[in-house]
Amino acid sequence: GAVVSQHPSRVICKSGTSVKIECRSLDFQATTMFWYRQFPKKSLMLMATSNEGSKATYEQGVEKDKFLINHASLTLSTLTVTSAHPEDSSFYICSARSGTSATSTDTQYFGPGTRLTVL
Amino acid sequence: SQKIEQNSEALNIQEGKTATLTCNYTNYSPAYLQWYRQDPGRGPVFLLLIRENEKEKRKERLKVTFDTTLKQSLFHITASQPADSATYLCALDPGANNLFFGTGTRLTVIP
Repeated sequence: GAVVSQHPSRVICKSGTSVKIECRSLDFQATTMFWYRQFPKKSLMLMATSNEGSKATYEQGVEKDKFLINHASLTLSTLTVTSAHPEDSSFYICSARSGTSATSTDTQYFGPGTRLTVL
Repeated sequence: SQKIEQNSEALNIQEGKTATLTCNYTNYSPAYLQWYRQDPGRGPVFLLLIRENEKEKRKERLKVTFDTTLKQSLFHITASQPADSATYLCALDPGANNLFFGTGTRLTVIP
């Protein structure tokens, strides 16, 4: 199956710093990428959807100035957590889909996740 | 409000038995529903997709049913093995080009 990578897999940072997480689709072109957040023993919560070359669409309650998303190419999306605080500590997971239709059933392929710890 | 509930947070079964996981949703009309497996500290891995006009879908030891009247999907693992121990997530796409996930069921298969 298709492969999606994330880097870094783990990051520890000080409060107030910014952290960038990369998500790459390795063997297919991802017209749409998604960013999720997962708290321990909880399900994935969709944060935002991004289409290549367009501004990301954020879910209700997600601060777009706090979580900057860039989808500059068909194989790369980045999530930057700006001025991170301890409450931003979480498991961040990206996924990628190649379908272009709003009703596409193309499978979403998930990255392995990035564990962010803000001290 | 919209909800996707997997009504067993945890399920323990004996090796060789069939595990049945439930996913119920409210205030959605999904065109299809998906099931994923997630291991600790890892991203979800796609298992099966079932469309609204399909009653049942099978893949090896896995079987999924989809009842749009009951707004429920059942996920079965037959002849379960310890290696099947993981968290299983149902997810649906309401047609808005994104996925919403259920709360997950942590399955433990006891040798």
